[in-house]
Amino acid sequence: GENVEQHPSTLSVQEGDSAVIKCTYSDSASNYFPWYKQELGKGPQLIIDIRSNVGEKKDQRIAVTLNKTAKHFSLHITETQPEDSAVYFCAASMSNDYKLSFGAGTTVTVRA
Amino acid sequence: DARVTQTPRHKVTEMGQEVTMRCQPILGHNTVFWYRQTMMQGLELLAYFRNRAPLDDSGMPKDRFSAEMPDATLATLKIQPSEPRDSAVYFCASGLVPEYGYTFGSGTRLTVV
Repeated sequence: GENVEQHPSTLSVQEGDSAVIKCTYSDSASNYFPWYKQELGKGPQLIIDIRSNVGEKKDQRIAVTLNKTAKHFSLHITETQPEDSAVYFCAASMSNDYKLSFGAGTTVTVRA
Repeated sequence: DARVTQTPRHKVTEMGQEVTMRCQPILGHNTVFWYRQTMMQGLELLAYFRNRAPLDDSGMPKDRFSAEMPDATLATLKIQPSEPRDSAVYFCASGLVPEYGYTFGSGTRLTVV
């Protein structure tokens, strides 16, 4: 099955700085890569995603990039704010498969 | 906002007791997942259903766990007998296909003493 590795496991940034989280996947058949954000006491929530036919996608302060050749994708958060503090999960799925393979998660702390 | 409803939110039980967790998926969602979250293992997929049929339950310890969807509005996860190592947060999620995004419930925090 698909194996997704995520780094770093924890990330502390100063408010206003950028945060970058990186993930690698093992199966070249994977073609959809979402990112989920989990706040304390809540379930994960989809924040942005990218498909394999796109190299980059941006939504306000967050962006995702995908390198299919290297089988890795990244989440970029610019101008971090305290409300960005959460656990972020990357995931991957293949066409004709309904399940997501999640990374281990990154705990992001934004220092005021 | 449509949401996935999980009950109970918290459960403390003694080792050996049966535990039942319930999930009401969003109306119209035909794919339902059960995940377990621990500090050590992250998000583990236990089982999932498509149109109420189980597609994959390979993540579940079969001797003690069972998952069912008696109807389209209810999914259940049972543990019998429960053990301390089952202590975790159990999430239910529902959706249509991955590209439309899956919606997670708020979870059931289970503590087995």
